[in-house]
Amino acid sequence: AQKITQTQPGMFVQEKEAVTLDCTYDTSDQSYGLFWYKQPSSGEMIFLIYQGSYDEQNATEGRYSLNFQKARKSANLVISASQLGDSAMYFCAMREDNQGGKLIFGQGTELSVKP
Amino acid sequence: GAGVSQSPSNKVTEKGKDVELRCDPISGHTALYWYRQSLGQGLEFLIYFQGNSAPDKSGLPSDRFSAERTGGSVSTLTIQRTQQEDSAVYLCASRPQGPDTEAFFGQGTRLTVV
Repeated sequence: AQKITQTQPGMFVQEKEAVTLDCTYDTSDQSYGLFWYKQPSSGEMIFLIYQGSYDEQNATEGRYSLNFQKARKSANLVISASQLGDSAMYFCAMREDNQGGKLIFGQGTELSVKP
Repeated sequence: GAGVSQSPSNKVTEKGKDVELRCDPISGHTALYWYRQSLGQGLEFLIYFQGNSAPDKSGLPSDRFSAERTGGSVSTLTIQRTQQEDSAVYLCASRPQGPDTEAFFGQGTRLTVV
């Protein structure tokens, strides 16, 4: 079974608009961490945002926020005021602490920002 | 260097040959991960080292794949008798101790088996 599911292979958004990238996860652990990474066409992996399972507040980093709904096991990434440079692959990942810190990634969502 | 370093950046090898891919993690990082990424695909977990614990090898696709981490630092991923389906980008990442720390990635090694 997939541990991390990203159901949107590709998304389009108009420049300056907000976009939500979906991520659901599957774990029986109580302690885990959720991450989002960006991978532009250059191939580098860029860390965006982190949410711990015990964090009560949704994480925010600049234009990025993480909509964490623990009961639904979802950790959607919201990008506000999209920019052309946001066009990239976006990966959701989960670290399960009872698995020793193993980090598992979803299949990714390709975001294209239109001018 | 300040970041995770992988070498070589590109490797072309003939089918059936063995290859070694190297990863130099960020100094002091206790965790080290290897992933495989085929063109346009997600990151496939291969193996994970954490300190002195036994590595989590659950993602290695076959016994042709192995990895070691010497002295808690440099890691080498070895693929024996390479096949064309091994062609991919192999990414290494390291992470410092702590529950809320992110993994830092290298630039990857692009492996092409011809």
